[in-house]
Amino acid sequence: GAGVSQSPSNKVTEKGKDVELRCDPISGHTALYWYRQSLGQGLEFLIYFQGNSAPDKSGLPSDRFSAERTGGSVSTLTIQRTQQEDSAVYLCASSLGTGLAIFYEQYFGPGTRLTVT
Amino acid sequence: QQQVKQSPQSLIVQKGGIPIINCAYENTAFDYFPWYQQFPGKGPALLIAIRPDVSEKKEGRFTISFNKSAKQFSLHIMDSQPGDSATYFCAASLHAGGTSYGKLTFGQGTILTVHP
Repeated sequence: GAGVSQSPSNKVTEKGKDVELRCDPISGHTALYWYRQSLGQGLEFLIYFQGNSAPDKSGLPSDRFSAERTGGSVSTLTIQRTQQEDSAVYLCASSLGTGLAIFYEQYFGPGTRLTVT
Repeated sequence: QQQVKQSPQSLIVQKGGIPIINCAYENTAFDYFPWYQQFPGKGPALLIAIRPDVSEKKEGRFTISFNKSAKQFSLHIMDSQPGDSATYFCAASLHAGGTSYGKLTFGQGTILTVHP
């Protein structure tokens, strides 16, 4: 079946512009995660959604970053007033759910490569 | 704060060799330890995972060894092939409650090259 898809695959933007990154999770997956992959920081957690709510936003680096999820499906990560340090690959992952002492595999999308010039 | 430390940063082996990648963690509350494989231009894909009550787990040519007292775990790739050339990430996650909800804390990654 279809995996996690992300769009756009590449985005080049000028410093100070806003960008929106989209994630389409696997159908039926209630949990959705955003991660950022950069040369200096490796892979780091940004935010977690269960359904449409975000109980864990602890990884968002600043208030310029926000995310939402609608209909328990598609999620959008928005970066306002982009800075050069925002350049990275933004990865989305989804899983069937979460639960105590249960590991649900996270399936990753191919990512969006963001370049801020 | 880097909670999961991974080494080496890069590794080169010949076909048939057994590359070993090591990770150490700090948070003793972590209760699941997966390994991910990533090819260029792709997202990470789960390779194998282990819980801390198990000392070793094998899936095909991939083996995780886990040392709970030392807070270390490692990935061994038996009979490595050129197609195994990729970046490997160890990770740790917490499912025992709170607000962690299975988020992954990754190591820095190891670039593995397997020569024919």
